[in-house]
Amino acid sequence: QQQVKQSPQSLIVQKGGISIINCAYENTAFDYFPWYQQFPGKGPALLIAIRPDVSEKKEGRFTISFNKSAKQFSLHIMDSQPGDSATYFCAASMRAGSYQLTFGKGTKLSVIP
Amino acid sequence: NAGVMQNPRHLVRRRGQEARLRCSPMKGHSHVYWYRQLPEEGLKFMVYLQKENIIDESGMPKERFSAEFPKEGPSILRIQQVVRGDSAAYFCASSQGFGYTDTQYFGPGTRLTVL
Repeated sequence: QQQVKQSPQSLIVQKGGISIINCAYENTAFDYFPWYQQFPGKGPALLIAIRPDVSEKKEGRFTISFNKSAKQFSLHIMDSQPGDSATYFCAASMRAGSYQLTFGKGTKLSVIP
Repeated sequence: NAGVMQNPRHLVRRRGQEARLRCSPMKGHSHVYWYRQLPEEGLKFMVYLQKENIIDESGMPKERFSAEFPKEGPSILRIQQVVRGDSAAYFCASSQGFGYTDTQYFGPGTRLTVL
């Protein structure tokens, strides 16, 4: 059972465009939702994170939108650049237990000039 | 300030051999997580350790896999009698252990290939 579903699997965006990646979760005990960025041959790195008590969080060109009632959250990358080309993972964790991250399957983003 | 270090970066083993993967957490971090990434898949939690203790191994296969984080030295993920299905990228992450919003910092991974 996949607890965090991510779409699309791959995304091609023109430079300067908006990239949008969506995630949905099932377990209402999830209480923290980070996004990770991974370049080929590297480990994932935290990009931005949100808790469900806010509906939006913005850091530079990256914005998370969160819809608690729909159990969905999304990452928006404004003014996408070729350097943003990477695989993006949404994840979720809960305040109980070992704080392990449950990841989506990832979205491979390609930003073309 | 060095990040999370993993070695080796690439490991090739024949079926039936043992694989030992090492992870040195960031300075000051005493909490280590191991995750496995299969091709075209997200990362899957395997085990969570603190110094000298296994806290949660619910994601680890019951047989052939073990993990440790000794008082001194790196955390070790050990896979005995490897099979082709063990081929994957293995990542460790470390954190300060302040809670569920504490950032997990990932190492570059060890890519295991089983021939």
